[in-house]
Amino acid sequence: GQSLEQPSEVTAVEGAIVQINCTYQTSGFYGLSWYQQHDGGAPTFLSYNGLDGLEETGRFSSFLSRSDSYGYLLLQELQMKDSASYFCAEVASGSARQLTFGSGTQLTVLP
Amino acid sequence: DGGITQSPKYLFRKEGQNVTLSCEQNLNHDAMYWYRQDPGQGLRLIYYSQIVNDFQKGDIAEGYSVSREKKESFPLTVTSAQKNPTAFYLCASSPSGTTSYEQYFGPGTRLTVT
Repeated sequence: GQSLEQPSEVTAVEGAIVQINCTYQTSGFYGLSWYQQHDGGAPTFLSYNGLDGLEETGRFSSFLSRSDSYGYLLLQELQMKDSASYFCAEVASGSARQLTFGSGTQLTVLP
Repeated sequence: DGGITQSPKYLFRKEGQNVTLSCEQNLNHDAMYWYRQDPGQGLRLIYYSQIVNDFQKGDIAEGYSVSREKKESFPLTVTSAQKNPTAFYLCASSPSGTTSYEQYFGPGTRLTVT
């Protein structure tokens, strides 16, 4: 099956920049999505990379390199409300395009 | 207000009982999904449906069943055959199967089986 690797925890201070890395297996890969989940809440979609390169959405950017089987989520100007879990999710090729989620990275933003 | 609703938020059951979790969406999305999340883990796909009256097993379908009789509704039954049913269950939808990279999630149902 497919599996993704991402760090389990990251800590940073308010106003800083943090990068959350994600590596994936190449078999059946179509694209990489990122989701945010606050404690006990529903995941919310942040970004998607179907092609190599950088996608920017406000303070959040996501990057994909297919040749390295690697992507990252970049969070800039960190705010306290950014403390949450962040999941990369591999989009499978094929008509169904199922998502396979990583185990998540718990981001703690300190004042 | 468009969105996905799941009910109830918390559910308690005794071992050996089947239980059905509700998921309704008014986003007019074709595709719907059920995931299970265990503490400190990512989401694992249980079942998905790309169109009414059709659904496919995900990675961990054993002990679960679904139906998709209406576009808006995708209920999940946790049967007594599911060995470890206690978990956080999340329902999601996307406009179609090909736009599954962006899924909209409901608030979840936290199921406890004792």
